[in-house]
Amino acid sequence: GENVEQHPSTLSVQEGDSAVIKCTYSDSASNYFPWYKQELGKRPQLIIDIRSNVGEKKDQRIAVTLNKTAKHFSLHITETQPEDSAVYFCAASISGSARQLTFGSGTQLTVLP
Amino acid sequence: DGGITQSPKYLFRKEGQNVTLSCEQNLNHDAMYWYRQDPGQGLRLIYYSQIVNDFQKGDIAEGYSVSREKKESFPLTVTSAQKNPTAFYLCASSSFQVGGNEQFFGPGTRLTVL
Repeated sequence: GENVEQHPSTLSVQEGDSAVIKCTYSDSASNYFPWYKQELGKRPQLIIDIRSNVGEKKDQRIAVTLNKTAKHFSLHITETQPEDSAVYFCAASISGSARQLTFGSGTQLTVLP
Repeated sequence: DGGITQSPKYLFRKEGQNVTLSCEQNLNHDAMYWYRQDPGQGLRLIYYSQIVNDFQKGDIAEGYSVSREKKESFPLTVTSAQKNPTAFYLCASSSFQVGGNEQFFGPGTRLTVL
C-alpha cells in the first residue's frame, strides 16, 4: 500500500519568515495530494491540494509543489503569522472512487512572535 | 459547521465494554470514513464506505465494526477486542462528483478507557 513520510516533525519559525514542510510518497499511482491544518483539539481542515497533472499551486501565502518523478511534494507558507501555528498533515490518494487518503505523521509548526 | 456531526464529544468506557460513536452528514456525500488519531501521530484509516450497505476495512480495522444503513450515517463501534482504544476518532465524508475529492471532517470524539 501507499506510504507517506513527512518531515520535519516539528518546525519553529519567526513571524514573517517562510516555512517549508516536505512529504514523500511511495505509490506512483497516487494522483491527489491534499494538505490539512489541524489546530489543537479541532478537526483537520483542507488548506490546499494538488493533482498530479500540475507541478505547483498557490493560494495567497500558501503554495504546494509536486515532483512526480521524485515522488515528493512540499508545502510552502510565506510571511508566517502566529495563527499559522498548528499541526499540518500531508496526504496522498490512490485513484479510486472512495479517494482513500494515506496521511503523513504531521508537522507541528510554531510561529514565534 | 461543515455538515458533519459526531457525538458524543467525549466518551469514557470501562474495559470490556463496547461503545458506539455516532457520525452523521447532511452533505449528500457518497463516501464516509473513520480515522483514529493518537497523540503526535497522523490519521490512520479504520473503515470506509462508498455506498449504503457496503464498507471496507482500512489499515487498523481489528477491534472495530461499522454499519452503513443510511447514506447520512456511519456509526463506529469500538469493541472489547480493541486492545488500546483510547484515542481521538475522526469521521469524514467525500463526494464522488468531479472535483469533489476533498474529505470533510467532523469535530471528533475523544474516547478514554478507564
